[in-house]
Amino acid sequence: AQSVSQHNHHVILSEAASLELGCNYSYGGTVNLFWYVQYPGQHLQLLLKYFSGDPLVKGIKGFEAEFIKSKFSFNLRKPSVQWSDTAEYFCAVNVGGSYIPTFGRGTSLIVHP
Amino acid sequence: NAGVMQNPRHLVRRRGQEARLRCSPMKGHSHVYWYRQLPEEGLKFMVYLQKENIIDESGMPKERFSAEFPKEGPSILRIQQVVRGDSAAYFCASSPGEGSASGGYTFGSGTRLTVV
Repeated sequence: AQSVSQHNHHVILSEAASLELGCNYSYGGTVNLFWYVQYPGQHLQLLLKYFSGDPLVKGIKGFEAEFIKSKFSFNLRKPSVQWSDTAEYFCAVNVGGSYIPTFGRGTSLIVHP
Repeated sequence: NAGVMQNPRHLVRRRGQEARLRCSPMKGHSHVYWYRQLPEEGLKFMVYLQKENIIDESGMPKERFSAEFPKEGPSILRIQQVVRGDSAAYFCASSPGEGSASGGYTFGSGTRLTVV
């Protein structure tokens, strides 16, 4: 079965710092990749997704992610974080042919003003 | 354009009672997924349903848990004889078609179940 690893469980940054959250998955075939954000007390919202094409994906709120097939990675980046980016971030992977995304454990990001 | 509607938002049950969680998918969506989120853990898949059919229930505990998505009305996740370990946030997601080909999943705001 596929698995999704988010190695950074808690990240604390100051405003304007750069962000990179790691996501690795364990499956060698076709995958679809997602990053979701969950603000405190709210539901998950889709930040960005990768299905095919350009491996550098631009999402909402200035986020981007790069799919590196050889590394089985889909890391999330933002050049300059804001206090309002404080949230839980989840990486999810759909294995080709599966209807059900597998989620990583999540990374809690706290941004200090 | 109502999104995925879950109710109640908060549910408190005593041990041994039944919990019923409801999910109305987004308009035009016929596929529903239930996930459970425990503190300090990610979302764990429970069950995937289409109208009147359970497609995949590999994540459902074998006992006390059941789910349905009738022809009319919301999807229901039912937990019988709740125990403290059932306390969690339960999220529902919907999609218009099968999985990722439909472009992603829309999540509801969740039901936070507390068993006392």
